[in-house]
Amino acid sequence: EAGVAQSPRYKIIEKRQSVAFWCNPISGHATLYWYQQILGQGPKLLIQFQNNGVVDDSQLPKDRFSAERLKGVDSTLKIQPAKLEDSAVYLCASSLTDRGADSPLHFGNGTRLTVT
Amino acid sequence: QKEVEQDPGPLSVPEGAIVSLNCTYSNSAFQYFMWYRQYSRKGPELLMYTYSSGNKEDGRFTAQVDKSSKYISLFIRDSQPSDSATYLCAIRQWYSGGYQKVTFGTGTKLQVIP
Repeated sequence: EAGVAQSPRYKIIEKRQSVAFWCNPISGHATLYWYQQILGQGPKLLIQFQNNGVVDDSQLPKDRFSAERLKGVDSTLKIQPAKLEDSAVYLCASSLTDRGADSPLHFGNGTRLTVT
Repeated sequence: QKEVEQDPGPLSVPEGAIVSLNCTYSNSAFQYFMWYRQYSRKGPELLMYTYSSGNKEDGRFTAQVDKSSKYISLFIRDSQPSDSATYLCAIRQWYSGGYQKVTFGTGTKLQVIP
């Protein structure tokens, strides 16, 4: 079973520029998550999709962050304009479903963003 | 108060030691408890999960949950240098619509010295 794929692995941009991250979840996984992990901290949920609908985006800074999941498969996360405090690893995860005890999250290796 | 609290460490132990990693949580509605391991520059990977009080064992790893104290632990026996990683506790709660929300602790960085 192929894992969660993310690209790019690394990105360096200047503040006020825009950036986009891509995620391809495990085949058949209905739920997709974007987490932000700042150095030394645990992952923080930004947005959660069930198929192509949004379940939770309460912690997404909507004035600068946007995300979509077209056709319930791949997803993109965009930041525009970026701020210095957006420097972090952006992790994508997927789960088979989001109900039931046997639906753990499977993570990609993340995109490491540095904003200068 | 954070929903999940975890001592960030770092924790440094000699090879072969027993390691104890701990988390506390605030919401008694939490039902499903997980431990993830994260190697440097990698995504977290699921190590163990449990949804009841008591112990669950898997090889050298034991997950322990005490719901009355809102306290969860991960024990690693005979620790190996390959266990050097950050360990994240994670807790699931349900949204009103029946969807799961997974909240992570800050992670404890463990180093096992040969």
